[in-house]
Amino acid sequence: GAGVSQSPSNKVTEKGKDVELRCDPISGHTALYWYRQSLGQGLEFLIYFQGNSAPDKSGLPSDRFSAERTGGSVSTLTIQRTQQEDSAVYLCASHPTGGSYEQYFGPGTRLTVT
Amino acid sequence: SQQGEEDPQALSIQEGENATMNCSYKTSINNLQWYRQNSGRGLVHLILIRSNEREKHSGRLRVTLDTSKKSSSLLITASRAADTASYFCATAYGGATNKLIFGTGTLLAVQP
Repeated sequence: GAGVSQSPSNKVTEKGKDVELRCDPISGHTALYWYRQSLGQGLEFLIYFQGNSAPDKSGLPSDRFSAERTGGSVSTLTIQRTQQEDSAVYLCASHPTGGSYEQYFGPGTRLTVT
Repeated sequence: SQQGEEDPQALSIQEGENATMNCSYKTSINNLQWYRQNSGRGLVHLILIRSNEREKHSGRLRVTLDTSKKSSSLLITASRAADTASYFCATAYGGATNKLIFGTGTLLAVQP
């Protein structure tokens, strides 16, 4: 079946602009995560959605970052007033409720802020 | 930071040789997972070992877990050029979120 998909695959934006990154999880997966991978910080957790529960936003680095998950499926990560330090690969992952907790990752969106 | 440490940071071996990567973490875990990443994009799950397990095998992969030392190792036997990738350990602490805390990664290069 289809895996986790993300769009766009690459995004170049000017400092100060807002960007939206999209994630389509595997159908039926109720848990969805966003991670960020950057050269200086490695791979870090950003936010977690599970069904209709309140998201865990504890990894978001600033209030310029927000995320939504509509209808328990597609998620959008929004970065407002982008800064150069936001340049990174943003990865989305999903998994079914329960089970082994292995996470299925999408290919990522490479964001470059100029 | 909760981030785990991996060593070595980089490893270069010849095809057919074995590769061993080590991971250390800081607090008690629910499970530990290993992922592979090619070309700086996407991660592929390789194997998961639970905190009450000590060793696990999957094909050419062997993972060990020592919770007393808070460490794990990944052994790839009879390596192939296609194994060239970055390898990350990731720890899960259970609870409501099950977010993964990733290690710093080992870059493995397998020379043909």
